[in-house]
Amino acid sequence: NAGVTQTPKFRVLKTGQSMTLLCAQDMNHEYMYWYRQDPGMGLRLIHYSVGEGTTAKGEVPDGYNVSRLKKQNFLLGLESAAPSQTSVYFCASSYSGGGTEAFFGQGTRLTVV
Amino acid sequence: RKEVEQDPGPFNVPEGATVAFNCTYSNSASQSFFWYRQDCRKEPKLLMSVYSSGNEDGRFTAQLNRASQYISLLIRDSKLSDSATYLCVVNLGGGSQGNLIFGKGTKLSVKP
Repeated sequence: NAGVTQTPKFRVLKTGQSMTLLCAQDMNHEYMYWYRQDPGMGLRLIHYSVGEGTTAKGEVPDGYNVSRLKKQNFLLGLESAAPSQTSVYFCASSYSGGGTEAFFGQGTRLTVV
Repeated sequence: RKEVEQDPGPFNVPEGATVAFNCTYSNSASQSFFWYRQDCRKEPKLLMSVYSSGNEDGRFTAQLNRASQYISLLIRDSKLSDSATYLCVVNLGGGSQGNLIFGKGTKLSVKP
């Protein structure tokens, strides 16, 4: 069982470059999330989706865009990367919101120089 | 006040010790509560949900006090493999359904 798969796992970007992080889940989950994790800050929600074709802003959405064209995929885009976006990015999915377990991908370590 | 607050630790304990972690949350409308475990450089994984009546899973006991907006996790007979960061997680429910709020985590290090 693949669960939640993130690509790439590591990436180094130059300031101003763009990139897309891909998250794929094979559990038929409705909800998908993108978090970033920084030292001393914990996990912070960037954007989330409650179903195919829907997206919503989380706590720290600025500088990021997302799309959920297919139920199993949730894409996170950085249009013009900044050093402040250096972080570990985690994708997660859950069957529904509320009291259901969230399953996480292995993370993407992004460095912006 | 932060939405979910935890003591960052680290908690350094010997094998076999009992250790307790606490967590407070600010939104009284919060509907569901969890403890996740995160190993170094790995993704978070669900350890256990937290129910109003309290719940136990082997050496782990979770408690919820809605009146005080307080969650706890007790680990008995600590093992070396328990070394990890423990994340308190709250779901706001309602209009923010699906929005899980994570604490910054409490780091536990179990020593031989």
